[in-house]
Amino acid sequence: AQSVTQLGSHVSVSEGALVLLRCNYSSSVPPYLFWYVQYPNQGLQLLLKYTTGATLVKGINGFEAEFKKSETSFHLTKPSAHMSDAAEYFCAVSSVTTGTASKLTFGTGTRLQVTL
Amino acid sequence: DTAVSQTPKYLVTQMGNDKSIKCEQNLGHDTMYWYKQDSKKFLKIMFSYNNKELIINETVPNRFSPKSPDKAHLNLHINSLELGDSAVYFCASSRGGLPLATQYFGPGTRLLVL
Repeated sequence: AQSVTQLGSHVSVSEGALVLLRCNYSSSVPPYLFWYVQYPNQGLQLLLKYTTGATLVKGINGFEAEFKKSETSFHLTKPSAHMSDAAEYFCAVSSVTTGTASKLTFGTGTRLQVTL
Repeated sequence: DTAVSQTPKYLVTQMGNDKSIKCEQNLGHDTMYWYKQDSKKFLKIMFSYNNKELIINETVPNRFSPKSPDKAHLNLHINSLELGDSAVYFCASSRGGLPLATQYFGPGTRLLVL
């Protein structure tokens, strides 16, 4: 079984400060890892994903994440927070259930608050 | 152009009623999903269809019945609604079912059962 743990349900940073959202996963097979963002009253939007290859993945809006197998982590970072980054962030791991469908298992989410 | 659309956006109803939520995607994807997001924002998959065939059913009560008339549509019918069904329901789609497929989400349907 696959699982995702997001440490910290709420993170508050000042505008311009570093954003660090933590994600640890559990998987018995090589994982595919995702970060999604959910703005208020909207659906989820993909920020970035790790499949294979380069362990540092760059996404939209200046976000990036690094896959660290030894630490089973996939933390999300952004060097400088903007007010528009305030949202709910979900880490997810993908696993194969059959030959034709992927199943995303989500973490419990981290709400990012950005203050002036 | 909305890639994944859901109707209605809001749904308020009484316990015991039957209701449907519709989902359509214009991305040409062949796999569609329903997720439930509870009041604590936890997201869990309910169903997945590939080419109109059910491939994931995550121990959801049989009061929930998905129907896929074609690859572009996946509807969710709920019988005998209960208070615990109150949640946000998201439809999503992807190209194929590969584990690395990106899923595209609709805006959600906010269901409130009174």
